[in-house]
Amino acid sequence: KAGVTQTPRYLIKTRGQQVTLSCSPISGHRSVSWYQQTPGQGLQFLFEYFSETQRNKGNFPGRFSGRQFSNSRSEMNVSTLELGDSALYLCASSLDDPGDEKLFFGSGTQLSVL
Amino acid sequence: GENVEQHPSTLSVQEGDSAVIKCTYSDSASNYFPWYKQELGKRPQLIIDIRSNVGEKKDQRIAVTLNKTAKHFSLHITETQPEDSAVYFCAASNGNGGSQGNLIFGKGTKLSVKP
Repeated sequence: KAGVTQTPRYLIKTRGQQVTLSCSPISGHRSVSWYQQTPGQGLQFLFEYFSETQRNKGNFPGRFSGRQFSNSRSEMNVSTLELGDSALYLCASSLDDPGDEKLFFGSGTQLSVL
Repeated sequence: GENVEQHPSTLSVQEGDSAVIKCTYSDSASNYFPWYKQELGKRPQLIIDIRSNVGEKKDQRIAVTLNKTAKHFSLHITETQPEDSAVYFCAASNGNGGSQGNLIFGKGTKLSVKP
């Protein structure tokens, strides 16, 4: 079974631009979560999607948004990029069944904002 | 909202020694506590998890303990080996909305095991 797949692997953007990241969950997984990882702040929760609906949201500004498609694939968008948005963005999927809440992470998209 | 504190931020041990990493959480409603290991340049991988109705769980050289009253949980690694060197993250979730996808992570502990 293929793992969580994120594309692209690396991105370089300039301030003010917008970016879209993609995540394909493990087959059969219905929940997709997004995290921002930086050396100073660790892993910070952005949002979670389930059945095409945002189910939970972290404390990030409205410039960060996402969506989920009917096949559970998810995209994350960041508009008006700032230097501080440079980070590794990780996607994770879960089967989301009672008693089986394990999250499986993708390899991430490394975003650099210049 | 939930806040997870993790200590220490760095830990160095000799091969064969034990390593202990501690985390505290703030939300008494949290009921799921996983631990992830992230090797350099790789994705975080789940190594063990525990639910709030269990006080201790063990998997070979790794064990996790949970004290709900004190709101803290710990990771114990025995007989450490060089391949245990990595950053370890604890996390907590209250299953808000029926999911565990909103994990709140500690800031990580960089474990170095010296041969």
